[in-house]
Amino acid sequence: QALLVESGGGVVHPARSLTLSCTVSAFGISSVTMAWVRQAPGKGLEWVSLISYDGTDKYYADSVKGRFNISRDNSKNTVYLHMNSLRPNDTAVYFCAKMKLALYFDLWGQGTLVTVSS
Amino acid sequence: IVMTQSPVTLSVSPGERATLSCRASQSIRRNLAWYQQKPGQAPKLLIYGASTRAASIPARFSGSGSETEFTLTISSLQSEDFAVYYCQQYDNWPPWTFGQGTKVEI
Repeated sequence: QALLVESGGGVVHPARSLTLSCTVSAFGISSVTMAWVRQAPGKGLEWVSLISYDGTDKYYADSVKGRFNISRDNSKNTVYLHMNSLRPNDTAVYFCAKMKLALYFDLWGQGTLVTVSS
Repeated sequence: IVMTQSPVTLSVSPGERATLSCRASQSIRRNLAWYQQKPGQAPKLLIYGASTRAASIPARFSGSGSETEFTLTISSLQSEDFAVYYCQQYDNWPPWTFGQGTKVEI
């Protein structure tokens, strides 16, 4: 059974916005650090953003800083990635991942594809 | 911290041993993880702490190294092990950085 399920991907025009969701089943996320990692087509893994268990600490890759915002709703067991001013090079599969403390990624969702194209 | 993996592609026969390398641009002590990714699938954690296998990972996978040089060894390749493998450092963050991957192919 899927434990982390991403949704919200799709095709979007450059400069537009999109919000991804990651809904977690089988465990509560209220004490868990969560992250987003992306993978451009045919490329490797790139960490995008991280949010602490209570939402007080947030980190972003330089490539998305100022454009993306991560948030969480622990009552809904869901993490979000709000993506603004999208660029063609943001095209990627976006994975939601549970982190062990703020160290490594010990559980991953199946990913959702975001395509930025006119 | 820049993580560099070698080789880019490793051609191995089933039953043979595979040795994958990961180098960090500065010391990361033993704060390294390894992941396996099969086509169309999410990455899967194999190793953390440079040498500790994650839950349910077979003993044929082993990790070693410290500071800047790390190795992932698959002792006897099974058909299900053909995949791309990534290393990731978590010593100095943000950012959490991955290597570019090594593809293990038949």
